[in-house]
Amino acid sequence: GQSLEQPSEVTAVEGAIVQINCTYQTSGFNGLFWYQQHAGEAPTFLSYNVLDGLEETGRFSSFLSRSDSYGYLLLQELQMKDSASYFCAVSRDDKIIFGKGTRLHILP
Amino acid sequence: DTAVSQTPKYLVTQMGNDKSIKCEQNLGHDTMYWYKQDSKKFLKIMFSYNNKELIINETVPNRFSPKSPDKAHLNLHINSLELGDSAVYFCASSQDLQGVATGELFFGEGSRLTVL
Repeated sequence: GQSLEQPSEVTAVEGAIVQINCTYQTSGFNGLFWYQQHAGEAPTFLSYNVLDGLEETGRFSSFLSRSDSYGYLLLQELQMKDSASYFCAVSRDDKIIFGKGTRLHILP
Repeated sequence: DTAVSQTPKYLVTQMGNDKSIKCEQNLGHDTMYWYKQDSKKFLKIMFSYNNKELIINETVPNRFSPKSPDKAHLNLHINSLELGDSAVYFCASSQDLQGVATGELFFGEGSRLTVL
């Protein structure tokens, strides 16, 4: 079987740093994705980790540890527009499977 | 130009009816998908097509029938609609079967289906 676990909700303060964790269990693992979805909109791609380590793109970074079946998304200098749902997803042999998403609430 | 476009955006219908959702992508991608997002926001893959060929049918009831007339189009027809079919249906495309090359799925804006 396959499963992805991530917190259902996280709350943080504007300007702060927040980390959203994701653990996965799947066969045929190729890589870990992160997607952002604002309410009422389509998911949009944020990052893709194939190798262990940290990938940085502006204020967002994503980390993968294949040996631990674990990854995280790090958001720095939080802005109100970062309020959204964040999905981790795994690429396996023939498809991309999504976690249930983490709703990020940002307080002013 | 919208990269992945799907119509209609909203669909309200009665139980037992048949409805279709259309999807088109102008990105030149080989692979297209249908995902279902329920009220709990869980994104679940339903089907994928690669160059008009069905690759994945994720144990979806056979009331759901996808059709891909060419690699730029993937339509979804649903027969005998049930209350539990109410959801947002997202079409997506990727450059190859796994989206591995770029790691990126391009999603349409979604079609919100409400079954009464």
